[in-house]
Parts: sequence; C-alpha cells; structure tokens
Amino acid sequence: DGGITQSPKYLFRKEGQNVTLSCEQNLNHDAMYWYRQDPGQGLRLIYYSQIVNDFQKGDIAEGYSVSREKKESFPLTVTSAQKNPTAFYLCASRARRGSNQPQHFGDGTRLSIL
Amino acid sequence: AQKITQTQPGMFVQEKEAVTLDCTYDTSDPSYGLFWYKQPSSGEMIFLIYQGSYDQQNATEGRYSLNFQKARKSANLVISASQLGDSAMYFCAMREASRRDSGGGADGLTFGKGTHLIIQP
Repeated sequence: DGGITQSPKYLFRKEGQNVTLSCEQNLNHDAMYWYRQDPGQGLRLIYYSQIVNDFQKGDIAEGYSVSREKKESFPLTVTSAQKNPTAFYLCASRARRGSNQPQHFGDGTRLSIL
Repeated sequence: AQKITQTQPGMFVQEKEAVTLDCTYDTSDPSYGLFWYKQPSSGEMIFLIYQGSYDQQNATEGRYSLNFQKARKSANLVISASQLGDSAMYFCAMREASRRDSGGGADGLTFGKGTHLIIQP
C-alpha cells in the first residue's frame, strides 16, 4: 500500500547529540514537509521541500536540518542546537499539482531527552 | 494574531448526535484552502475534508460537511450521527496561496490548536 513511513516510532536523545528522523514515501509525491507538535498544540512547520535537491525553512527551522537527495526520502536531523527537542514529529507529503491536494501524514516519531 | 482559531479546547457529545467544531481564520489572501484533520490518540493525522476559497458550495465527505461562511471567515466542521470512533483531536488548517511566494514557511499548512472531541455512549 502507498503511504508514508516514519522511523523510529520513539527516539531518545542525549544532551549534545544529533539525531536523525527518517521519512520515506512511496506516493510519488513531489512535496514533503516536517512538522513539530507540542502537547496540546497544533502542528508547526519546520522545513519543506517541493522538489529533489531543494528545501526551504519553515516557521521554526532553527536547530534542525534536512536533506532531499531522493524523491522518496526527506530525513530530519535534530541538532544539539535545538534546546527543546522533546516533541512529536510528523512528516507529510503532497502531490504538487492542485491547490486542493491534502497533505498525507506519517504516524510520527516521539522524541524525548534522556 | 492567530491565523487559525479553534475556540473549543474540548467537547463532550452523546453518541449519534451531530457535532459542530468551530474554526475561524485570518487571511488577506483571496486564494486559500481550508483543511480539517482528525488525530486519534495513536498520533497519525487523517485528512477529512477540504474547502477552497473560491468553491461555491460547502464541501461534504460522507458524515463530514463543512459550514463555510466566507464573509465571517469561518469554516466549521459538522459531523453527523457521531460514533464512538469519532473521539479524537480535530485540527483546522489553512494554506494560503501568497505564502508560497513569501518564503520562510511558504507552502506549508498553518494549524489551529485543535479541539478534543469525546463521544459518550
């Protein structure tokens, strides 16, 4: 079945450590997104990519980095510069054509500080 | 100012009743889209329904309909004949066409803080 796979489901980070969250999609979507969700809050956009080898900062990009070397993959690295990384991270993708196309989401990764 | 406002942090509704979840939005862009998502306790975001700013009719998808009042900038989600499985967080979100050209967050969705809906038997 087509969909978005995020791994791992749970991740723990030590102080000063970089960690990478995986996001893979087989929907043949051009655009991919990373969001952060804090408890009791809506989602906030971290980074997005509309095409391979191109990505743009979202509203809260500081302390995060991404790459888009393949259409199917959009990994997110939470760097040690992100001082409050504990959150639920959601990856999404969307077919670029058509403004009414919804974003489809993965099941998320919960990141916690050890 | 909040771009998307959901004024109901939580709602309790009796099974089989209809429920309306409120959403108001703020944009000066004439071209925008409004989305509703459902987030069960497991965490995944499930797309429910879409309304475009130029759509003449209110969107409907099965038991979901959108009460779109453009002049009031509201896009309330209506769930008819609620079921126990409807218990979840519900988020209203907006995509603005101008955001695509503004940089720094363009093309993403802006989400409200959500409404926690609990259906009681």
